[in-house]
Amino acid sequence: KAGVTQTPRYLIKTRGQQVTLSCSPISGHRSVSWYQQTPGQGLQFLFEYFSETQRNKGNFPGRFSGRQFSNSRSEMNVSTLELGDSALYLCASSIGDTQYFGPGTRLTVL
Amino acid sequence: EDQVTQSPEALRLQEGESSSLNCSYTVSGLRGLFWYRQDPGKGPEFLFTLYSAGEEKEKERLKATLTKKESFLHITAPKPEDSATYLCAVNYGQNFVFGPGTRLSVLP
Repeated sequence: KAGVTQTPRYLIKTRGQQVTLSCSPISGHRSVSWYQQTPGQGLQFLFEYFSETQRNKGNFPGRFSGRQFSNSRSEMNVSTLELGDSALYLCASSIGDTQYFGPGTRLTVL
Repeated sequence: EDQVTQSPEALRLQEGESSSLNCSYTVSGLRGLFWYRQDPGKGPEFLFTLYSAGEEKEKERLKATLTKKESFLHITAPKPEDSATYLCAVNYGQNFVFGPGTRLSVLP
């Protein structure tokens, strides 16, 4: 069974730009969660989608948004990028309680 | 305040030197505790799920245990390839919260 895939794997953007990251969950998984990982803050929860609906949201500003499509694929968008948004963005899909992570997208904001 | 902590922050072992990593949590309504392994630049790799106090899970050189307030990840006779950051996460209510991780280095 194929794992969680994320595209692109690496991105370089400049301040003020916006970015869209994509996540394809494991086949049959309907829940997708997004996390931001930085050396200082560790893994922080962004939001969770289930059947195209946002089910839970972390404590991030409104510049961070997401959506889920009918095939369970998910995208997250960050608008007006700031230097502090540089991080590894991880997507996880789950069935039941266990989350399975993708390889992440490394975003660098210059 | 609900939180998840891990200790030690970093651990250096000689190959074959067994040890334990700790994950402590103060949350209400625990639904599950999870252990992950993360290699640099990669996503976390799922290891174990524990649901109730007294439960134990094993996989190769790793054994995870759970009490009402903490979990231990025991590493028996580690090898250099066990070097990674080990993360625990707690699922409670609608929340899934990760600890800061323990960076394990196993020297040959």
